[in-house]
Amino acid sequence: GQQVQQSPTSLVLQEGENAELQCNFSTSLNSMQWFYQRPGGSLVSVFYNPSGTKQSGRLTSTTVIKERRSSLHISSSQITDSGTYLCAIAGNKLTFGIGTRVLVRP
Amino acid sequence: NSKVIQTPRYLVKGQGQKAKMRCIPEKGHPVVFWYQQNKNNEFKFLINFQNQEVLQQIDMTEKRFSAECPSNSPCSLEIQSSEAGDSALYLCASSLSGQGARDTQYFGPGTRLLVL
Repeated sequence: GQQVQQSPTSLVLQEGENAELQCNFSTSLNSMQWFYQRPGGSLVSVFYNPSGTKQSGRLTSTTVIKERRSSLHISSSQITDSGTYLCAIAGNKLTFGIGTRVLVRP
Repeated sequence: NSKVIQTPRYLVKGQGQKAKMRCIPEKGHPVVFWYQQNKNNEFKFLINFQNQEVLQQIDMTEKRFSAECPSNSPCSLEIQSSEAGDSALYLCASSLSGQGARDTQYFGPGTRLLVL
């Protein structure tokens, strides 16, 4: 089965709304990363988050390794937040989830 | 911000043709990864290198793909005989460590391959 599951698969937000994206993994891991993928392909690392909570601007990531889950919280969403958010677990390579496509409307 | 450089950005080939793409990792990053992202957004790890040595690769890579990371030259990934199913975005990433991938991987913009 799929090692990394993300939910929801897609999300439509009104500008200013908050959102929480979930990532669940079925295997033990050394660490995990959240990525943002712009339409067109470039992957940008958002968080490298082995465990605990990290915040960067309007984004907050919380990873609970024992429970094999991580979440990405977007507060006060903006149009420029639109794109795909991917989580990946790290062993000797990254194993990606399918991503959550986020569309923020004005 | 990632400084991984990938060329070309787009590549169009006929079935059976060779397709070659290149990657320059971030300066000081000894580990390079190649991933394939298909039209369903699924990522597949292909191969990784530490300096010039292969660390891991999957079967597909062993059979139809060739990859290398020579010293003082860009890394490359080449499909020997392209198939329609190879059409995908090929992403190169680099990091400081390949051991358990404990370091953040930084990705290039990708090479989008279309096999007609």
